[in-house]
Amino acid sequence: GAGVSQSPSNKVTEKGKDVELRCDPISGHTALYWYRQSLGQGLEFLIYFQGNSAPDKSGLPSDRFSAERTGGSVSTLTIQRTQQEDSAVYLCASSFFTGWRGYTFGSGTRLTVV
Amino acid sequence: DQQVKQNSPSLSVQEGRISILNCDYTNSMFDYFLWYKKYPAEGPTFLISISSIKDKNEDGRFTVFLNKSAKHLSLHIVPSQPGDSAVYFCAASVGGSQGNLIFGKGTKLSVKP
Repeated sequence: GAGVSQSPSNKVTEKGKDVELRCDPISGHTALYWYRQSLGQGLEFLIYFQGNSAPDKSGLPSDRFSAERTGGSVSTLTIQRTQQEDSAVYLCASSFFTGWRGYTFGSGTRLTVV
Repeated sequence: DQQVKQNSPSLSVQEGRISILNCDYTNSMFDYFLWYKKYPAEGPTFLISISSIKDKNEDGRFTVFLNKSAKHLSLHIVPSQPGDSAVYFCAASVGGSQGNLIFGKGTKLSVKP
């Protein structure tokens, strides 16, 4: 597609439930990133995929968070046993590995845990 | 511990005047810096970047200045337009243009007609 697509755009879930957030990167972009923005905060790095390399998971806040990227394209971020502090906008971005001029971000998924 | 700091949460400027957004960083290993602009309900969009080997990069109305000794960079917008009203994020990375970016908390710019 022309841009990075994320779904759903909004998600309200009950505390304790699992959620899956989806990201479709720009075709041909080999790098994919997940960030989140909590209220009043900057963008917090979560995880980074680059080609077939092992992902950089250093930003995942707990083992309740996981992500996978199938076929080098679509990625799913899964949050298990959601907590209220997980409420945030989850942003996905993609880029070319070399010569990129910044990431292209999707519009994000606004997650609200009630 | 914040490695990228934007100490002004908001800035208000009159249309036609200069907007100056500031950013400080603590990690001397950062070698690539970027500015992103974000409108409500949209993802951030790339605005301008600068490598640590330079001290200035200009693109139209936007100029980024880098002062490595002070670990400080700034974004100048001249002249400011109402459409520039958005949240501006400063970001930095280690290892050039690859790898993950560390973002500041953002500065909300309001340009008044």
